[in-house]
Amino acid sequence: NAGVMQNPRHLVRRRGQEARLRCSPMKGHSHVYWYRQLPEEGLKFMVYLQKENIIDESGMPKERFSAEFPKEGPSILRIQQVVRGDSAAYFCASSPNPGGGPPKETQYFGPGTRLLVL
Amino acid sequence: GQNIDQPTEMTATEGAIVQINCTYQTSGFNGLFWYQQHAGEAPTFLSYNVLDGLEEKGRFSSFLSRSKGYSYLLLKELQMKDSASYLCAAESSSNTGKLIFGQGTTLQVKP
Repeated sequence: NAGVMQNPRHLVRRRGQEARLRCSPMKGHSHVYWYRQLPEEGLKFMVYLQKENIIDESGMPKERFSAEFPKEGPSILRIQQVVRGDSAAYFCASSPNPGGGPPKETQYFGPGTRLLVL
Repeated sequence: GQNIDQPTEMTATEGAIVQINCTYQTSGFNGLFWYQQHAGEAPTFLSYNVLDGLEEKGRFSSFLSRSKGYSYLLLKELQMKDSASYLCAAESSSNTGKLIFGQGTTLQVKP
């Protein structure tokens, strides 16, 4: 009964490089959320996706960041031309059905990817 | 605007009771979650309140007042392993399940 899986767990990039973060939701879950946690701060919503669709990207920076959740394979959060301010923990969460009935756990979180930009 | 406020840090003694408060102001509101997060780990679900009142689950209870925009998490019979961050999160939309998190309360339990 695998939970939400994220890889890599730790990622080091130099300024200007690209970072690709992967998230495999729990089995049977078709809704994926990405959150960012900056040092000493709370989790901030970035984007909500269903299979092949971006539903809400109101928390995504307008430039350099993109997300996808293809029909097959994991969800990908892509950060182009990384800067030091992108250093953070990026958490993925999955849900079978947002707003669904009990048990009301809605979102299960993965272990996160800790991105360090040098 | 969206605003979730909770204390940054709290300290309590093993065996005692601690209450972590959370106030929220969101443009939409469907319910209130509490998550526990140990350092370097994923947040794990503790409780969810959609109706006013107290929800009890073992040593942990959570309370919600929608009219006051207020919630608290109550931890009883504290154990050392309860040392963690406790995250208050408002579900801002029933359609998307989008969560708005507070910055978290770091609880330190001392012997």
